[in-house]
Amino acid sequence: QKEVEQDPGPLSVPEGAIVSLNCTYSNSAFQYFMWYRQYSRKGPELLMYTYSSGNKEDGRFTAQVDKSSKYISLFIRDSQPSDSATYLCATDSYSGAGSYQLTFGKGTKLSVIP
Amino acid sequence: EAGVAQSPRYKIIEKRQSVAFWCNPISGHATLYWYQQILGQGPKLLIQFQNNGVVDDSQLPKDRFSAERLKGVDSTLKIQPAKLEDSAVYLCASSFAGDQPQHFGDGTRLSIL
Repeated sequence: QKEVEQDPGPLSVPEGAIVSLNCTYSNSAFQYFMWYRQYSRKGPELLMYTYSSGNKEDGRFTAQVDKSSKYISLFIRDSQPSDSATYLCATDSYSGAGSYQLTFGKGTKLSVIP
Repeated sequence: EAGVAQSPRYKIIEKRQSVAFWCNPISGHATLYWYQQILGQGPKLLIQFQNNGVVDDSQLPKDRFSAERLKGVDSTLKIQPAKLEDSAVYLCASSFAGDQPQHFGDGTRLSIL
């Protein structure tokens, strides 16, 4: 079983829709949870960074973490064509010497249709 | 603030040849990472540096891959000899410290013929 599971999609929605992206993880030692956005031929860009269970909101984006069920979600409200990208979930575990290591899901490719 | 710079952007080589990638992290960032991203997959960590020392290289195929970070700033990743399965995007990332968010460059897209 992979440590971070993510449905690769693709997911296609009309402009203005609410988008829900989800990941599950297996290692209860994971402490930090992130969502990255990756445009075609670009590097991943950090969108959201959370530590505790609950919700964190930033504009149209809401990240949700449920540590009891090892489930993380990203919601995008009023989706725009510019949101079309691959969304990667990631978790952060201690790798020693004061450093952390990221484990990524496969990414979900999202298309927002005008 | 300038981002993480990587070069070249694209590279095409034949199997068994060698190739090198270069990364310049964000100024002041002590931690530097190299990732391999195969098409349709998330990035996979190859090696992590703290200043010019290696923190983790457990997933680096050391029989063919090597990396160095001289003077704790720029870094190079080398593959010698390349195999077909090495076709991927090689991403460099940096962070201010090992427990801070990572910022990625746009990667080098490597194709092996």
